[in-house]
Parts: sequence; structure tokens; C-alpha cells
Amino acid sequence: SQKIEQNSEALNIQEGKTATLTCNYTNYSPAYLQWYRQDPGRGPVFLLLIRENEKEKRKERLKVTFDTTLKQSLFHITASQPADSATYLCAPMNTGFQKLVFGTGTRLLVSP
Amino acid sequence: DAGVIQSPRHEVTEMGQEVTLRCKPISGHNSLFWYRQTMMRGLELLIYFNNNVPIDDSGMPEDRFSAKMPNASFSTLKIQPSEPRDSAVYFCASTGTGDNEQFFGPGTRLTVL
Repeated sequence: SQKIEQNSEALNIQEGKTATLTCNYTNYSPAYLQWYRQDPGRGPVFLLLIRENEKEKRKERLKVTFDTTLKQSLFHITASQPADSATYLCAPMNTGFQKLVFGTGTRLLVSP
Repeated sequence: DAGVIQSPRHEVTEMGQEVTLRCKPISGHNSLFWYRQTMMRGLELLIYFNNNVPIDDSGMPEDRFSAKMPNASFSTLKIQPSEPRDSAVYFCASTGTGDNEQFFGPGTRLTVL
């Protein structure tokens, strides 16, 4: 069965450092992969989408990579700030379908 | 735009009662999704509609759950009868034609006693 794995343990880093979150998937060949941010008590908010033919995508301090051989996506936040503290969810997606399957998310805590 | 609107924001009910959750998608969006989120299982897709038609309801847990979308601007998720294990946060999301990004509502926190 399809499986999406994100580190269930919280990631604690210091302000200014780069945070790297991992999303691994099995029994899946997604054409796209999306990353969302979720704050407590709120719905997820879309951050970035990367296609299978893109190795890397950047948006401001965010960078996402997509390795279809390793079946893995990495999500980086450079120069992290306490305001980046949230849970980050990855969601692979197949071509032609709008259905998203979300990973369980990784909680990021950035200390001042 | 007000974004996706959900009501109520919080619902506390007793086991056996009927619960109806409501969602208004973003105007112009043609796909609507209902999700359930718990600590144990994360964010799970229950059902989604395209142009008001249910496309995939394979995530609906059992017959106690039903969803409708009578028009492009309104959807309901009903649980009858409710059980304590239905306690969760229920999210509604919408997306437009050709878009991949989903816009989520604020969620309804359901507690079944």
C-alpha cells in the first residue's frame, strides 16, 4: 500500500540555522509533491509544489528537492526564525488527480 | 475573498446524536474535499467532489458518514449516529480547475461524549 513517511519527532533548531525536513514515500510514483504548513488550531496552508521533472524549487527562504530515484523530498528553511515554528506536511500527488494523501507531518520548533 | 468557510467551529455532542458539518468553498472553485485530522492518523481524505459530483468516497469510514454537495457553494458532512471515536478536527478544502493548491478552511473541532 502507499505510504508517506515524515519524521514524527519534533525538530528543534536554533534561530538562524537551516531546518531540513524529510518526506519519504513508497509504492507511489507521484507526478507532483506539495508542501503545506499547519499552525495549531488552523488548517494547512500551501507553500510549494514541485514536479517530478524538477529537481529543486525555491521560494524566498524555502527550498524543496524531489528525488524520484530515492523516492524522497527534502524541505529546507534557511535562516530560520521562531515564526517558522509549525507543523509541515508533505503530500504527493498523481497526474490527473486532485486527490492528495498527506504525510503525518513534522513539527518544527525554532528557538530564539 | 473570505476563503473557505466552515461551521460550526466547535461542536460538542453526545454519542448517538446526529452531527452536521457545513462548508462553503471559495467562489469559483470546482473541487471540494472533506478531511479528518487526529493525532493518531493525521490528515485523512474522506471524500471529494468535482463539479458537485462525488468522485472518491473511499475514505468515508462507514455508513454512518454521508456527504452532499447540492450546489457549487455549499457542502455538508453528516454523521449519524455519532460515536466518541468520531472526535476529531474536520477540514474542508477547495481548489479551482487546473489548480493543484488546496485552500483549507479553519476546521470544525468535533467532540463526541
